[in-house]
Amino acid sequence: NAGVTQTPKFQVLKTGQSMTLQCAQDMNHEYMSWYRQDPGMGLRLIHYSVGAGITDQGEVPNGYNVSRSTTEDFPLRLLSAAPSQTSVYFCASRIRSGNTIYFGEGSWLTVV
Amino acid sequence: GESVGLHLPTLSVQEGDNSIINCAYSNSASDYFIWYKQESGKGPQFIIDIRSNMDKRQGQRVTVLLNKTVKHLSLQIAATQPGDSAVYFCAENINNAGKSTFGDGTTLTVKP
Repeated sequence: NAGVTQTPKFQVLKTGQSMTLQCAQDMNHEYMSWYRQDPGMGLRLIHYSVGAGITDQGEVPNGYNVSRSTTEDFPLRLLSAAPSQTSVYFCASRIRSGNTIYFGEGSWLTVV
Repeated sequence: GESVGLHLPTLSVQEGDNSIINCAYSNSASDYFIWYKQESGKGPQFIIDIRSNMDKRQGQRVTVLLNKTVKHLSLQIAATQPGDSAVYFCAENINNAGKSTFGDGTTLTVKP
């Protein structure tokens, strides 16, 4: 049971480049989310999904897109990277009826 | 709007002492409150949760107290150990909303 798997773990982008952070979970969880964590700060919700085919915006969605074509996968796309998107990104999942959120190990992104 | 915040960004305690980490919340509609522990370089991990209709819940060496009158949540760690050094986050869930709101975190340092 791998849990929540994120790739890549580290990435350096140039301003204006695009990329996709991959996230997969093997626990058949309905809910999946993407958070960003800036130094010394908490987790801010970017986008979330309550099931395949359904996505919604969190508190900081600008500059990011998501899709949920399957229950397992929830990729996060940076459309045109900016230095302000330098952060650690966490993918997370949980079952609809539960409270425990399972997080991936994080993806460290630097935009130069 | 909803927000979850912690009273102090840092807390330093002696090994063996008890630790108390506090959190204030603003959304009275939350169904559950949850504490997470984040070790350096890793994703947050679930510690304990408490339903909104409860005042207290105990786990192994940890106790969570909920005071709905003043919208305050605390995490008590008994006999704090070096392995407890981490960032602690409180979070709140509204059932079926698909997302959780996190506070900024308290960094706990345990001195030998």
